[in-house]
Amino acid sequence: QVQLVQSGSELRKPGASVKVSCKASGYTFTRYAMNWVRQAPGQGLEWMGWINTNTGNPTYAQGFTGRFVFSLDTAVNMAYLQISSLRADDTAIYYCARNNPYMDVWGGGTTVTVSS
Amino acid sequence: QSALTQPASVSGSPGQSVTISCSGTSSDIGAYNFVSWYQQHPGKAPKVLIYDVTNRPSGVSSRFSGSKSGNTASLTISGLQAEDEADYYCCLYTSTNTLMVFGGGSKLTVL
Repeated sequence: QVQLVQSGSELRKPGASVKVSCKASGYTFTRYAMNWVRQAPGQGLEWMGWINTNTGNPTYAQGFTGRFVFSLDTAVNMAYLQISSLRADDTAIYYCARNNPYMDVWGGGTTVTVSS
Repeated sequence: QSALTQPASVSGSPGQSVTISCSGTSSDIGAYNFVSWYQQHPGKAPKVLIYDVTNRPSGVSSRFSGSKSGNTASLTISGLQAEDEADYYCCLYTSTNTLMVFGGGSKLTVL
């Protein structure tokens, strides 16, 4: 079946980096772009952007440029989200979601906690 | 691009119908028929209920329906059930996928 499996929870100190992974299975990975969505504690969903899994070209939403990087490893059907110079307000659940072009399949989410 | 506007909370009794609105402008919702709706239970990932304003993915109950009028999209849940208690989000995506934007979310309480 089509599914997205994300990496486990992460705890980082302010200023550190984190890389979240999203492994796709059950479909041709390069036929669908991958979205990334953030949900801060008690808050709503926020679209971070997406990456074209065929070309590797990323598109970042406003507010997610600079410290956020989307990448791929198409050999193993993986999408990645890397966040650098972490701040306390990066604490959130990060979801990957297949682009169809609506978000039809979601990963289970990765909790990133930034705390000293 | 500003977030789309949803009521913070809605409520209804079992068996009733509720409608959740998602308001935008003539530049976003009014310009595109690419509105989707998502349901999120506490501690769970979102699940798509409606795409392209009115379409239901396979497996989604027919109690969920979507519509659009002018700059406002709506999700209607009929025959309300206790399991429908969740957060609901609208989302607009453009045909070029250069932009997606979510509504602020609506918490549905089943009384």
